[in-house]
Order: sequence, then C-alpha cells, then structure tokens
Amino acid sequence: DSGVTQTPKHLITATGQRVTLRCSPRSGDLSVYWYQQSLDQGLQFLIQYYNGEERAKGNILERFSAQQFPDLHSELNLSSLELGDSALYFCASSVGQGGPDRQETQYFGPGTRLLVL
Amino acid sequence: AQKITQTQPGMFVQEKEAVTLDCTYDTSDQSYGLFWYKQPSSGEMIFLIYQGSYDEQNATEGRYSLNFQKARKSANLVISASQLGDSAMYFCAMREAPYGNKLVFGAGTILRVKS
Repeated sequence: DSGVTQTPKHLITATGQRVTLRCSPRSGDLSVYWYQQSLDQGLQFLIQYYNGEERAKGNILERFSAQQFPDLHSELNLSSLELGDSALYFCASSVGQGGPDRQETQYFGPGTRLLVL
Repeated sequence: AQKITQTQPGMFVQEKEAVTLDCTYDTSDQSYGLFWYKQPSSGEMIFLIYQGSYDEQNATEGRYSLNFQKARKSANLVISASQLGDSAMYFCAMREAPYGNKLVFGAGTILRVKS
C-alpha cells in the first residue's frame, strides 16, 4: 500500500457525460500528479499540482481539468467524455515539487478504471 | 523531448535465475533521474529503484539493481533470484527536468517467471 488513495476504483459512464476522480496523497506529500494509462497511448503525464498551484502540464485535453484543494487532495474532472477516454487514471504523490539533482519519487495510487460506453 | 525505449515487449525467466530488462533513454539534459516501476496484473504501480544522473554508483534495492551506463544512455534493471511474484509489467521512466517532476514512461516489458 503506497498510502495514496483514489476513488472510485471503477467508473462506468456514457459518452458525453462528466465524471470526477478523487485522490488523496500520502501524508506529508505536497505534490499530486495525474497520469492516464491506455492501450494505445501507454502511460502519459497529465498534470502536476504542488501545494495547490499548478506546477507542470502534459498532454491534458481541454475537456479535462484538475485542482488541488487546501487539504491537498486533488480532483480530476473529465467532461464531454468520449470512447477514447476509457483508461486507467493514476494519481501519484511526492514530498516536493521536483527539480534537478533531487530524487522525488512518485508513489502511485491504485488507479481509477474508467470505461466510457 | 525526452524519450524512453524499452525494446523487449516480453521476457521469460526461470524461477531463481537473474533477468535483465533493457531501457535506453534520450535526453539533452545534464541532470535527470531514472526510475523503474512494477505493475502487477492487479494494476497498481510500485516503485522499485531510482538512479540519478550524477550518481557514481549503480543503484541497488534488495534483489533489484540498476546497470547504469551513462555514455550509452542505458539504465537496465537487473532482477536477481527471480520469484513467481516478479511476474508483472515493468516500466522504465525518466524525470523530465528542470521544472516540475513529470515522468516520461517507456512502453513497458512484460516479465513472466516460470517455475
């Protein structure tokens, strides 16, 4: 158990709908990351938050948005869902915000498996 | 842009033997970090080992060691004394510097340990 929690574990929804994925980081971790794992794209970084502020952005669609709250939990909102959004969404956390010459190991949650029908 | 290449889609190893999973990387950064993660069939991502670009010695964590060859830009994972529980997908990843802590992942290698 990494200490990172994600809810829900599974989510089945229809195209065009909106869902919210929730993540609680390990105790003491200030950074939260979101990744998407799909068969065709592999594991892709979406976005990083550090202590409530957006820190880095990856291949995140405009239909997707995220935020980190004062209690450091994070939510990933996916809207206007398409079949291709079906994937395993991981949240990860680390102590700091990262940077050169620093080992900032990211610990991953169990993931939320999203199926869009 | 940084890139991670894992050329072995799948590997078999006999129980109790050692196995090497290949990873090559491409970056123009001088400072970077390399990670290996394990993903069992249950789906979670488990951190295994880290190697910093300025680390002079190869990283080791129990039965895992990292064969780091900087000039060849390779960071191969060596698992000694394989166990049935080592059967999983293994991902090599690089931290993209200098800002933030984004990880770029390779495509992964599926390892199957035979009894």
